[in-house]
Amino acid sequence: QSVLTQPPSVSGAPGQRVTISCAGSNSNIGARYDVHWYQQLPGTAPKLLIFGNTNRPSGVPDRFSGSKSGTSASLAITGLQAEDEGDYYCQSYDSSLSDRVVFGGGTKLTVL
Amino acid sequence: EVQLLESGGGLVQPGGSLRLSCAASGFTFNNYAMSWVRQAPGKGLECVSLISGDGGTTHYADSVKGRFTISRDNSKNTLYLEMNSPRVEDTAIYYCATRPLVTIFGSGGNRFDPWGQGTLVTVSS
Repeated sequence: QSVLTQPPSVSGAPGQRVTISCAGSNSNIGARYDVHWYQQLPGTAPKLLIFGNTNRPSGVPDRFSGSKSGTSASLAITGLQAEDEGDYYCQSYDSSLSDRVVFGGGTKLTVL
Repeated sequence: EVQLLESGGGLVQPGGSLRLSCAASGFTFNNYAMSWVRQAPGKGLECVSLISGDGGTTHYADSVKGRFTISRDNSKNTLYLEMNSPRVEDTAIYYCATRPLVTIFGSGGNRFDPWGQGTLVTVSS
């Protein structure tokens, strides 16, 4: 059971828009700690996709965007492409847990 | 170009020991905290351990506390994870990843970027 809750899977057709939610609590996302998103394509290491809730690292297409409100965050992907298929994880900090670093359970994105 | 190259993974018996290494290049190693993040087969991500840029501050997940030791040699630009008394549930791909600050936690410092390619650790008799 992950501290941050993500849907196990989402899907969309090429060109469509999909969103992935990340639900937290008042000790992590709701406490104003930043949310970061990682993309893990099949057989590869995770890669930072969004940092500080809304920022894209250099080289990440603007088709990817992040938002945060209250105790939740979301990742939106527009103009879906076949190469976007993979797993997506949200991550934050939790002040109430000794582990401190918390990840979502991951969401598998399927491009139909 | 920043590069992180893990090594040392393999098959280890429960109760044995194994040392993982992560060779870093392309950045000033001692200016950044480092981390080990693992992923069990078919599962999600778990931050196992963190270490500050000078090696003086460490942090462990409860699941490995007292069994694993993180360390770094800044003269060799290398990060280590000593795994003692591993358990079957420690089987995973272990990734090293850079933190954006010299301290392990801090405002703007709680992300992992970049990541190495990972090394597979299998704990089995």
